[in-house]
Amino acid sequence: GAGVSQTPSNKVTEKGKYVELRCDPISGHTALYWYRQSLGQGPEFLIYFQGTGAADDSGLPNDRFFAVRPEGSVSTLKIQRTERGDSAVYLCASSFSTNVNTGELFFGEGSRLTVL
Amino acid sequence: DQQVKQNSPSLSVQEGRISILNCDYTNSMFDYFLWYKKYPAEGPTFLISISSIKDKNEDGRFTVFLNKSAKHLSLHIVPSQPGDSAVYFCAASAIYSGAGSYQLTFGKGTKLSVIP
Repeated sequence: GAGVSQTPSNKVTEKGKYVELRCDPISGHTALYWYRQSLGQGPEFLIYFQGTGAADDSGLPNDRFFAVRPEGSVSTLKIQRTERGDSAVYLCASSFSTNVNTGELFFGEGSRLTVL
Repeated sequence: DQQVKQNSPSLSVQEGRISILNCDYTNSMFDYFLWYKKYPAEGPTFLISISSIKDKNEDGRFTVFLNKSAKHLSLHIVPSQPGDSAVYFCAASAIYSGAGSYQLTFGKGTKLSVIP
């Protein structure tokens, strides 16, 4: 489809395991964002990419979280030594560079992570 | 500390009547505000936005009002339709201040139910 694609849609893992979540943005969108939505909360900013580089990773909660976008398109969010508190829906969004300042983002359906 | 607050978790409105969703913010650096709509199992979708230099922005049935002195904004939907039933998120960013303008700070959302 033409929208932002995220895989897997659901991931159940055990505490301490490593997880990768993938995001395929809309073609032509140079800006890519990761947000996390915990139960009963609004989405919270994690990281923003402009092209291949992370322009702002100030929202990553700690060094167990890392994200890459090696070719400026697909991005992977990596979580090491998962904890139960990491359980949330991880949302990826993309936009044209001209929309970076307008906040008009196109979100994917999210990857629901459950850490047992 | 919630910088964007949506104090009503839910709202029920009769079809054809007006829906008013409210949002308050505490951070004076915020100068751009958006509303996103979210259906179950889907990512949020951009609905409407307003810059702090305006006090009203209208798009079809949707109007957003901004009261800067009160740090309050509201979304009006007239007339409400059953298809408007969704969770509505208020979001804010700091564009003109240049402080992480691409970071959206979201409220917790208000679930709107439009009754036929």
